[in-house]
Amino acid sequence: DQQVKQNSPSLSVQEGRISILNCDYTNSMFDYFLWYKKYPAEGPTFLISISSIKDKNEDGRFTVFLNKSAKHLSLHIVPSQPGDSAVYFCAAMGGGADGLTFGKGTHLIIQP
Amino acid sequence: GAGVSQSPRYKVAKRGQDVALRCDPISGHVSLFWYQQALGQGPEFLTYFQNEAQLDKSGLPSDRFFAERPEGSVSTLKIQRTQQEDSAVYLCASSLLLDASTANYGYTFGSGTRLTVV
Repeated sequence: DQQVKQNSPSLSVQEGRISILNCDYTNSMFDYFLWYKKYPAEGPTFLISISSIKDKNEDGRFTVFLNKSAKHLSLHIVPSQPGDSAVYFCAAMGGGADGLTFGKGTHLIIQP
Repeated sequence: GAGVSQSPRYKVAKRGQDVALRCDPISGHVSLFWYQQALGQGPEFLTYFQNEAQLDKSGLPSDRFFAERPEGSVSTLKIQRTQQEDSAVYLCASSLLLDASTANYGYTFGSGTRLTVV
């Protein structure tokens, strides 16, 4: 029973365009949502987070939007760059768990 | 050190062998986590330490898995009598505290140990 779902295993976007990665969750008790980026043979690297009481957080090219009523969040990357090619994990904090609850990840491929 | 260090990076074990995986967290980090990441999956929580106290081990898949952090810094994840289904990347993460401030900068992960059981 997956509490955090990333339904797109992969996404291909042209360089310079907007990348939109989606994430759905089922546990309404999650306090925070985090996005991690992972390159092959490396550990996940923290990108950006959002509190459950907010609906938007922005950091440079990265913006996360949260729709609590729909239990949906998305990560927008604009403009997309070749170095953004990686696997992106959506993760949730709280909900009765001590650790993070991760989705399965979306492999983002930026095409030149 | 500057980051979370895990060793070995790769481990091949014969089925039934015991293995020990090491994690050196960032100096001063109170919280330490172990995660298991199977191929094509996201990391899954195994266990959590606050200093030397193991506060949550609900994610350990069986009693063959054991973790310790005796002095509140380095941690070891031990797997006894390894099975093929134990093949995965084992990730260690640390943070200064476990509270709302952690969400602002996330946990710092190590590069992981890839365990292959043959």
